[in-house]
Amino acid sequence: QTVVTQEPSFSVSPGGTVTLTCGLNSGSVSTSYYPSWYQQTPGQAPRTLIYSTNTRSSGVPDRFSGSILGNKAALTITGAQAEDESDYYCVLYMGSGIWVFGGGTKLTVL
Amino acid sequence: QVQLVESGGGVVQPGRSLRLSCAASGFIFSSHGMHWVRQAPGKGLEWVAVIWFDGSKKYYTDSVKGRFTISRDDAKNSLYLQMNSLRAEDTAMYYCARDPQHSFDIWGQGTMVTVSS
Repeated sequence: QTVVTQEPSFSVSPGGTVTLTCGLNSGSVSTSYYPSWYQQTPGQAPRTLIYSTNTRSSGVPDRFSGSILGNKAALTITGAQAEDESDYYCVLYMGSGIWVFGGGTKLTVL
Repeated sequence: QVQLVESGGGVVQPGRSLRLSCAASGFIFSSHGMHWVRQAPGKGLEWVAVIWFDGSKKYYTDSVKGRFTISRDDAKNSLYLQMNSLRAEDTAMYYCARDPQHSFDIWGQGTMVTVSS
């Protein structure tokens, strides 16, 4: 059973930098998993931030960036703003036409 | 502009069927794979199904295999999800999403499916 792991919650100060991660219960995440990141606020549809590891979606501020850090995918927010307080989800392509989402990280900005 | 609009959700009894639709506009629909993703109330996102850009391949998460069918009509720029033998655990907001490179870039606003007697 493949499990995609994310921190359940994280906190960052306004103007600060935070890195959220996306891992696997077994193995390392690489670009071959096409990691992508989504932001969701309550009652809204997800918004794509990053796809294919580090490609920023149209209109996404450049304070959001994606990368591989060690054996995980990472989403870094540099200069966090109050409106960044949201749930963040990653998803990995497992191959063979299967995608698996992480459980999400609730980010608090305070 | 690039847009996806879902429809077809509603309240349905367990064991019954429902067909969701997703209307695409603003891009070349036939050039993209398309997904369905769902979110149960208060829960996280769950990938449900994908159809390749040319319709040649379809894949499903294990919990819906044999019950759900994804399809597309490129002439109508539309994606569908036929859901049969619905269960209470299928209750969720269902989103369609476009695939750029083995991920999702454009999302619809979602359509709610409630399975309840």
